[in-house]
Amino acid sequence: AQSVTQLGSHVSVSEGALVLLRCNYSSSVPPYLFWYVQYPNQGLQLLLKYTTGATLVKGINGFEAEFKKSETSFHLTKPSAHMSDAAEYFCAVSQIEGAQKLVFGQGTRLTINP
Amino acid sequence: ETGVTQTPRHLVMGMTNKKSLKCEQHLGHNAMYWYKQSAKKPLELMFVYNFKEQTENNSVPSRFSPECPNSSHLFLHLHTLQPEDSALYLCASSRGQNTGANVLTFGAGSRLTVL
Repeated sequence: AQSVTQLGSHVSVSEGALVLLRCNYSSSVPPYLFWYVQYPNQGLQLLLKYTTGATLVKGINGFEAEFKKSETSFHLTKPSAHMSDAAEYFCAVSQIEGAQKLVFGQGTRLTINP
Repeated sequence: ETGVTQTPRHLVMGMTNKKSLKCEQHLGHNAMYWYKQSAKKPLELMFVYNFKEQTENNSVPSRFSPECPNSSHLFLHLHTLQPEDSALYLCASSRGQNTGANVLTFGAGSRLTVL
């Protein structure tokens, strides 16, 4: 069975600082990996995804994530935080067989300090 | 506007009421989903429909009854709910099965409170 662990339910950084949100997954077969973001009073929207190929994936709003198979990780980073990045971030995993059964982590709430 | 519209955005109901949540997508997708989002818990997949046929029921109690009359509309009928059913119910859509990595487009959710 697949599972996702997001380390840290709440991360706080200063504006302009590096953002690092951690995600580890377990999957018995090569996974599809996703990061979604949820702004207040909104649904989730896709930030980026990894399927195959290049392990460093670039997404919207300056975010990127790197798939590291040996570490079973897919951490999300952004070099310089902006106030508008304050939101909840969800890592998710699915598999080629059963790609519709997306399994989400518990989420990490990102706060940006002025 | 994300292309997936959910109504109502907020709903308060008693345990004996019957109500329905509605979801509509304008993206030409063939798959629709219901997820439950509770505080401090991961999103829980409830139901999946492909071409209006139910293909996944994640052991959801029968007091939640989904309906998918066509690929663009999805309902969640609610009856005899419990206070622990209070949550944000998210609808999503995607292109469907056998289309590779399945990217979901979510609605804004319906916030349900059961008294």
